[in-house]
Amino acid sequence: SQQGEEDPQALSIQEGENATMNCSYKTSINNLQWYRQNSGRGLVHLILIRSNEREKHSGRLRVTLDTSKKSSSLLITASRAADTASYFCARRAADTTGTYKYIFGTGTRLKVLA
Amino acid sequence: EAQVTQNPRYLITVTGKKLTVTCSQNMNHEYMSWYRQDPGLGLRQIYYSMNVEVTDKGDVPEGYKVSRKEKRNFPLILESPSPNQTSLYFCASSFTRAGVEKLFFGSGTQLSVL
Repeated sequence: SQQGEEDPQALSIQEGENATMNCSYKTSINNLQWYRQNSGRGLVHLILIRSNEREKHSGRLRVTLDTSKKSSSLLITASRAADTASYFCARRAADTTGTYKYIFGTGTRLKVLA
Repeated sequence: EAQVTQNPRYLITVTGKKLTVTCSQNMNHEYMSWYRQDPGLGLRQIYYSMNVEVTDKGDVPEGYKVSRKEKRNFPLILESPSPNQTSLYFCASSFTRAGVEKLFFGSGTQLSVL
C-alpha cells in the first residue's frame, strides 16, 4: 500500500498541553499537507510544507518535514477542546508527468479534555 | 461563498441499482477528485481530473466511473453498486498553481448498499 502511516492512531491530552502527531511515507514527494476532520465531515486544509522546506508555522501549528527519513510531524501547541478532531497527512507524489495523485495517511484521532 | 457541493448527503440503495453522486465547485479549480473513507483505512483516492475531459485512476477505481465535461462538475457514477462500496465519499477540488495548492472538500456522501 502507498498509504502513509500516522502515529499515534489516537491521542488523548488535557487542554493546554501540546499534541504531536507523526506521518511517515514511502516514496518521494512534491509536498506534504495536513488536514483536519471533525466527526465525519469534510476535511479542512491546515498547512502545506514543500519538499525543500524543513519547518513551517501557522498560528499554534508547527509542521516539520524530514525527507531523508520520509517523515513529517504536526505539533499543536496549547491545545483546546475545540482541537478535538482527526488529523490526516496527505502527500502529493512526485510525478514527472505533472499529474496530481494525493495519498492520505490513516489519521490520528485527537481528543482534548477540558 | 467558495464551496464544494456534494449531493446527496445520505444515500441508501440496493445492489446493482445504478447511482450518481454529484459534485460541483464554484472556485474555477482545475483539479477535482473523489475519495472514499473507511474505518482504519483513511481516505483513498478513487479518480481525479486535472481539467475538463482529463481524468485518471486513483488507488481504488474498480467499480466507479467519472466524467469531467464541465470545469465545475465531476460526478461519481456507480454503474452496479455492491455492498463493499458502502462507504463515506468525499469530493475535493484545488487549483494546481504552485503556492495555492490545497484541497477543498465537500461535506461528504454516506452511501449504504444493501
